[in-house]
Amino acid sequence: AQSVSQHNHHVILSEAASLELGCNYSYGGTVNLFWYVQYPGQHLQLLLKYFSGDPLVKGIKGFEAEFIKSKFSFNLRKPSVQWSDTAEYFCAVYTGGFKTIFGAGTRLFVKA
Amino acid sequence: SAVISQKPSRDICQRGTSLTIQCQVDSQVTMMFWYRQQPGQSLTLIATANQGSEATYESGFVIDKFPISRPNLTFSTLTVSNMSPEDSSIYLCSVRRGETQYFGPGTRLLVL
Repeated sequence: AQSVSQHNHHVILSEAASLELGCNYSYGGTVNLFWYVQYPGQHLQLLLKYFSGDPLVKGIKGFEAEFIKSKFSFNLRKPSVQWSDTAEYFCAVYTGGFKTIFGAGTRLFVKA
Repeated sequence: SAVISQKPSRDICQRGTSLTIQCQVDSQVTMMFWYRQQPGQSLTLIATANQGSEATYESGFVIDKFPISRPNLTFSTLTVSNMSPEDSSIYLCSVRRGETQYFGPGTRLLVL
């Protein structure tokens, strides 16, 4: 069955530290990949997405993600985090059909 | 993108009662999705609602417990029936435009 795994459930960083959140999926065909963010008290928002083309995609607020097909991975990165990046981050995969599969989420806490 | 609104935004209910959650989308969509997000967990798809047909439920969810209506292409309701404390959760309405999933602000439900 298709699945998405996120490597870390909780991450704690200091401001200005670099961030990398891991995401791996299990599906051998064509995929559309997403990162969503949920800030405290807010609803899920799309952070960035990959459909095709350049495997390095840039999203809002300085986030980027790299699709590595051979590793079935779509890791999220940010060179320097801010306190306002404290949120929960969800990786998701759409493989066609009608379901989007979500990972378990990673809670990021950035210390000021 | 999509603009999705939900009502109510939150509620506290007594066990054994039912609550109906409304979801309104800013323009017509074929499929609407209902998710549950329990505390500290990822999103779980409850059902997919197509206009003019019965909803399709995921494993572990049944129509008697979570009846869904889809009277037109911009509106849906989810009812949580005969509630128990285990139903305390955030319920999310979602639509897909192309390959991207968009979410409403959620309904935060607490069952006492």
